[in-house]
Amino acid sequence: NAGVTQTPKFQVLKTGQSMTLQCAQDMNHNSMYWYRQDPGMGLRLIYYSASEGTTDKGEVPNGYNVSRLNKREFSLRLESAAPSQTSVYFCASRRGPNTGELFFGEGSRLTVL
Amino acid sequence: QKEVEQNSGPLSVPEGAIASLNCTYSDRGSQSFFWYRQYSGKSPELIMSIYSNGDKEDGRFTAQLNKASQYVSLLIRDSQPSDSATYLCAVNIKTAGNQFYFGTGTSLTVIP
Repeated sequence: NAGVTQTPKFQVLKTGQSMTLQCAQDMNHNSMYWYRQDPGMGLRLIYYSASEGTTDKGEVPNGYNVSRLNKREFSLRLESAAPSQTSVYFCASRRGPNTGELFFGEGSRLTVL
Repeated sequence: QKEVEQNSGPLSVPEGAIASLNCTYSDRGSQSFFWYRQYSGKSPELIMSIYSNGDKEDGRFTAQLNKASQYVSLLIRDSQPSDSATYLCAVNIKTAGNQFYFGTGTSLTVIP
């Protein structure tokens, strides 16, 4: 039972570089989310996908883009990384947009120099 | 005003004692409430969910919800060193697109 799988686990980027964080879930969940977690700030929602084919902005979407590739996969792209995007990123999924709890992946630690 | 507020701690309790963690929320449209535990360097994992006023018990954990006071708490009985972690309160707000809002977490240390 893999649950929610994120790759990569760790990444170091230089300012201006781009990268994509991948997320896949095997629980047949409809809704998927990307959060970032910073010290003293808690978990903040970047983007979410309530169902396959839809995406919406969360609390802190600037500098990010997402793609809901299919029901299983939801990727987060940083087009031009900035030091302010240094953070731990968590992908999460949920059975439906108003159903049940969030299940989290293991996290991706990103450092932008 | 933040949607969800927690005392950041740190909270220290001796082994075997009761740890009490508190959380307040601002939106009366909130409908579901969750407690997550997060060990250092790990992802959040669900401890308890509660949807209606009152108490909900699961083993050593009890969640308490008071919607009138906009308050949710988590009690950990017979605290163990393995309970040392950060506890995140999360609120699902129907009027905000069913999004989860998280508190900043309370750091708990259980002293052997």
